[in-house]
Amino acid sequence: DTAVSQTPKYLVTQMGNDKSIKCEQNLGHDTMYWYKQDSKKFLKIMFSYNNKELIINETVPNRFSPKSPDKAHLNLHINSLELGDSAVYFCASSPNSGDAFFGQGTRLTVV
Amino acid sequence: AQRVTQPEKLLSVFKGAPVELKCNYSYSGSPELFWYVQYSRQRLQLLLRHISRESIKGFTADLNKGETSFHLKKPFAQEEDSAMYYCALSRRVTDKLIFGTGTRLQVFP
Repeated sequence: DTAVSQTPKYLVTQMGNDKSIKCEQNLGHDTMYWYKQDSKKFLKIMFSYNNKELIINETVPNRFSPKSPDKAHLNLHINSLELGDSAVYFCASSPNSGDAFFGQGTRLTVV
Repeated sequence: AQRVTQPEKLLSVFKGAPVELKCNYSYSGSPELFWYVQYSRQRLQLLLRHISRESIKGFTADLNKGETSFHLKKPFAQEEDSAMYYCALSRRVTDKLIFGTGTRLQVFP
């Protein structure tokens, strides 16, 4: 059983489109995150939710909107996609012990 | 502000050679420190954490508060160790992870 799963794995879309990435964890963790890994492999936190409540919102454009329908899901919706949004987006969950379990990543390519 | 620095983008060694991936951090409190590894085409996964003081796949890392370092070491590198390694810091157990920029380790046969 996959602990943290993201869909889709690959996403190619045109500029200006709106897209969503879904994330689900079956570990019973309270905290979930979205991280962005850019072309230089830099990993940066975007959002964090704890028990469906937003607790971290880094300086991310408001075109990015996370949604957590329940503790096991944290989806990422992106409006008006731009070329610079191309990256690998990682979902993660944490048992509040400091470490995190990551999904396999979603490679987003905006053309 | 908290920061994690990995000065080397790429580290290349031959199989059997010792490896040390450097990590320095800046944080005034007592951080939680981790090493994560990302093998080719795989997800990021936890390699080890400083509070466990364990050795995973032959890797160890010691927290040096005086030097604010958490270097990752392995006495004899293997080809399968080739991967991207990230050092990460968390201010407290419920906080986000702050990652370094990563070091790509290449182990040649």
